[in-house]
Amino acid sequence: EAGVAQSPRYKIIEKRQSVAFWCNPISGHATLYWYQQILGQGPKLLIQFQNNGVVDDSQLPKDRFSAERLKGVDSTLKIQPAKLEDSAVYLCASSPIARQGLPYEQYFGPGTRLTVT
Amino acid sequence: RKEVEQDPGPFNVPEGATVAFNCTYSNSASQSFFWYRQDCRKEPKLLMSVYSSGNEDGRFTAQLNRASQYISLLIRDSKLSDSATYLCVVNRGATNKLIFGTGTLLAVQP
Repeated sequence: EAGVAQSPRYKIIEKRQSVAFWCNPISGHATLYWYQQILGQGPKLLIQFQNNGVVDDSQLPKDRFSAERLKGVDSTLKIQPAKLEDSAVYLCASSPIARQGLPYEQYFGPGTRLTVT
Repeated sequence: RKEVEQDPGPFNVPEGATVAFNCTYSNSASQSFFWYRQDCRKEPKLLMSVYSSGNEDGRFTAQLNRASQYISLLIRDSKLSDSATYLCVVNRGATNKLIFGTGTLLAVQP
């Protein structure tokens, strides 16, 4: 079974530039997550989609970050304009649809390592 | 205060040692609990779920104390390949939202 795919794997940009990351979840997984992992910290959820609807975007800095999952499959995460503190690994994960009281394992992609200079 | 707290380590142990990691969580409404493993420059992967009755998977034993809001992971007979960061993870419930601790770094020495 193919895992979660992400691209690019690495990106270096200057502050105030824009950048976009792409994620393709495991086939059939309705739920897709974007996490930010800063060096030395655990992953932090930025946004969660169920099919093409947003379930949780409470920790997404909406003044500069945006994400979409138009057809309920692939997703893109964009940062515009980037700041130095956005340097991190951006992880995409997917899981089967979440149901009350029945958590499902989340499968993570390899991540995109972003460096903002 | 962070919702999930762990000792960041590092824990440096010799091969064959037994090592224990502890974790506390602050939200009493948390419903399920996990340990994830993250190798250097890799993505997190589920190691095991944690139940109140305790559960064991080979050399790994996980325990949950809901009253104290405390989670533990015990690794027996440590191997070099166990070297990684161990992330304590709490699931808040209906939306499958995971809250990660900062992770505990384990280095098993030959």
